[in-house]
Amino acid sequence: DTEVTQTPKHLVMGMTNKKSLKCEQHMGHRAMYWYKQKAKKPPELMFVYSYEKLSINESVPSRFSPECPNSSLLNLHLHALQPEDSALYLCASSLTSGADTQYFGPGTRLTVL
Amino acid sequence: GENVEQHPSTLSVQEGDSAVIKCTYSDSASNYFPWYKQELGKGPQLIIDIRSNVGEKKDQRIAVTLNKTAKHFSLHITETQPEDSAVYFCAASSTNAGKSTFGDGTTLTVKP
Repeated sequence: DTEVTQTPKHLVMGMTNKKSLKCEQHMGHRAMYWYKQKAKKPPELMFVYSYEKLSINESVPSRFSPECPNSSLLNLHLHALQPEDSALYLCASSLTSGADTQYFGPGTRLTVL
Repeated sequence: GENVEQHPSTLSVQEGDSAVIKCTYSDSASNYFPWYKQELGKGPQLIIDIRSNVGEKKDQRIAVTLNKTAKHFSLHITETQPEDSAVYFCAASSTNAGKSTFGDGTTLTVKP
């Protein structure tokens, strides 16, 4: 199984809402990532978890809060987002956080009204 | 940190022609260079990769070459087909970086 799943596929939320994105992999990977992707742009790294510990936070605003409950699950909690946060949010995993292939999920299309 | 430049940003070819996309990187410690294909509405998917101890790798119609001295690597697609139309991203990472750095992407259009 080389699949990374993400839920929901689409999410529309107001600026005062709280919502969560979920990501799951069962490949035994020990690194998991959150990316933000705007149209016609490359994925922009937000967070990296390595062995369930946050190893990289690319200066992401605190309205985005990641969580790694176990080695297979990754959540991204959203609160008080801005319209400019509307984007495709991609989750990825790799064997380690070093020089390994990243496997991407299909993404969650987020719209902030 | 690592910086990856990718060219061209758009590429249009006739079906059956070859397509070449080039990337340069800045960090000599980078030792892993994957290429990802992203179709509309999907996440990026690995199509081929190369490590720094290899100069060339081929998988059917797709090949990647690496020149460590010049710090550049290229994706070659031969006998292009309409289903090759997508956005292609190169990336570079090192064992200790903890992350990959992506190029800005190339939109490839294959005209039937």
